[in-house]
Amino acid sequence: DAGVIQSPRHEVTEMGQEVTLRCKPISGHDYLFWYRQTMMRGLELLIYFNNNVPIDDSGMPEDRFSAKMPNASFSTLKIQPSEPRDSAVYFCASSLSQMNQPQHFGDGTRLSIL
Amino acid sequence: SQQGEEDPQALSIQEGENATMNCSYKTSINNLQWYRQNSGRGLVHLILIRSNEREKHSGRLRVTLDTSKKSSSLLITASRAADTASYFCATDASTSGTYKYIFGTGTRLKVLA
Repeated sequence: DAGVIQSPRHEVTEMGQEVTLRCKPISGHDYLFWYRQTMMRGLELLIYFNNNVPIDDSGMPEDRFSAKMPNASFSTLKIQPSEPRDSAVYFCASSLSQMNQPQHFGDGTRLSIL
Repeated sequence: SQQGEEDPQALSIQEGENATMNCSYKTSINNLQWYRQNSGRGLVHLILIRSNEREKHSGRLRVTLDTSKKSSSLLITASRAADTASYFCATDASTSGTYKYIFGTGTRLKVLA
């Protein structure tokens, strides 16, 4: 059974460029989460969706960040324009429900903004 | 904001020894989860313990929860080199009508062969 799939695994780009991260959740999972992990701030929840609808985007750092979930099997996290401080590992996770269920994580996208 | 704080930040032990990691949190919870993260990989769920449970086992893992002290511990018995990873606790939080998990800062465990 396939887990959460993220692409690309690594992304290196120059400051000011648009970056798009992709995620395919586990089939049948109703919840999808985007996290950012850095040494300084740990693992931060950016946004989560329930049945493709954004529920809580309070963790999105600023307007440069946007996330969409056009259907149950695909989500994107976009940064435009990118800045060096956006460098981090971005994880996507999915779960069957929000309460009392484990979250299944992808292996992340390591993003470096030069 | 509510966040689990793991203690210690780093732990180095010999293979075969037991490893104990602690997590403290600030506000009431419904449940607490423990996750493992191997280097360069995503987090993997280990165990969930509900607020009305005091102890839970899964293989070589033992988790305790003390809601009066707002703390949990993860014990790995007879550790193996393959247990080398970072371990995180996650506590549930309900704020402004939404419900989510907040992850702690993690304990880096190194098991020496």
